[in-house]
Order: sequence, then structure tokens, then C-alpha cells
Amino acid sequence: KQEVTQIPAALSVPEGENLVLNCSFTDSAIYNLQWFRQDPGKGLTSLLLIQSSQREQTSGRLNASLDKSSGRSTLYIAASQPGDSATYLCAVRGQGAQKLVFGQGTRLTINP
Amino acid sequence: DTAVSQTPKYLVTQMGNDKSIKCEQNLGHDTMYWYKQDSKKFLKIMFSYNNKELIINETVPNRFSPKSPDKAHLNLHINSLELGDSAVYFCASSHAAAYEQYFGPGTRLTVT
Repeated sequence: KQEVTQIPAALSVPEGENLVLNCSFTDSAIYNLQWFRQDPGKGLTSLLLIQSSQREQTSGRLNASLDKSSGRSTLYIAASQPGDSATYLCAVRGQGAQKLVFGQGTRLTINP
Repeated sequence: DTAVSQTPKYLVTQMGNDKSIKCEQNLGHDTMYWYKQDSKKFLKIMFSYNNKELIINETVPNRFSPKSPDKAHLNLHINSLELGDSAVYFCASSHAAAYEQYFGPGTRLTVT
């Protein structure tokens, strides 16, 4: 059974810092991994999707990496801004599975 | 244009009642999902439909019944509501299960 863990559960950093969010999963037989952000009281916004054959994906100030063999992904946020404050969720789709399995998220606060 | 929409956004009802939540997507996707986010913010798949056919049915009480009248719609009907059903319910869609999932804004259900 796939389990997804995100550490830390909460993170608070000053504006302008670069930061890394971590995601680990127990079953390395994945099809893809998706990073989302969730703002309070809102739905999920997809940030990046990494297929199992890829090592990383970039979108603007965001860079996600995937190390399938070690069961890890990281989300790197460069030059953080207060508008980046949100909960970041990692979700994994297993091979042959039709569903995403989510971690519990990292609540990020960027202080001006 | 709204990609994945849900109605209602908020739903407050008493125990024992029956209620429905509607979901529509205008992305041309063929796969739709229902997720439940509990009070601890943990997201878990409930159901998934592909081309109106049920493909995922997690361990969900049979008081919950999804219905997909066409590829663009996936509704969730809940019978005999219980206090533990209080949560935020998210609808999502994708172009086949392998692709990026797009989420609706959520429906916050409160059972009193």
C-alpha cells in the first residue's frame, strides 16, 4: 500500500529565501508525481507533474525533482514571496493505479 | 472560464438528510474523481469514473453513490447523512488517469 509523507508539516521563512519541501513515498513503482498548492478555503492548484521517467520539472521559480529509486521528491522554491504562502501537497500515482495518493501537506508561511 | 466547477460551495444540513453535490468540467476530460478532505486536511480518493464507467470505488459507505450522466458531469449523492460525513469534498478531472488532475473549488459539507 502506497504511503506518502511530507516533511516538515509546517515551515516559516523570511521573504526572499530559497526553500525546499520534501515528499517521500514507500512504493517506488510509480507512474507520476504531482505537486499542488492549496490556499485556505480553496481548491487545489496543480503546480508540476513529473512522469516516472523524468528527473525534474521546472515552472518559473519552482523546480521539482524526482528520485524514484529512493522514493523521494523535492519542490524547490526560489526567491520566496509572501504570495507563496499556502499548503503544498505532494501526490503519487502508482503504476496500474487510477488514483492519486496524497501526503498531508506542508503549510508554508513566507514572512515579509 | 471555470475548468472544474462544483455546486454548492457550502452545504449545511442535519443528520439523516439526503443531499447531492454536483460537479461539471469543461476541459473535455474523460476521467473524473471525488476526493474527501477531512478535518486534518488529509485528501483521500473516494470514486473515479472513466467515460461514465466506475473504475475506482474505495472503501466508502454505500450511503455514498456517485452518478455520471455524461463525461462532463459527476455527481455525488449522500443518503442518511452522519456527523462524520462533515468534510470538504473535491471533484477533479483528467485526460485519462495518467495525466495531470485538475481540481474544483470544493464543497464544504457540515452535518449538524
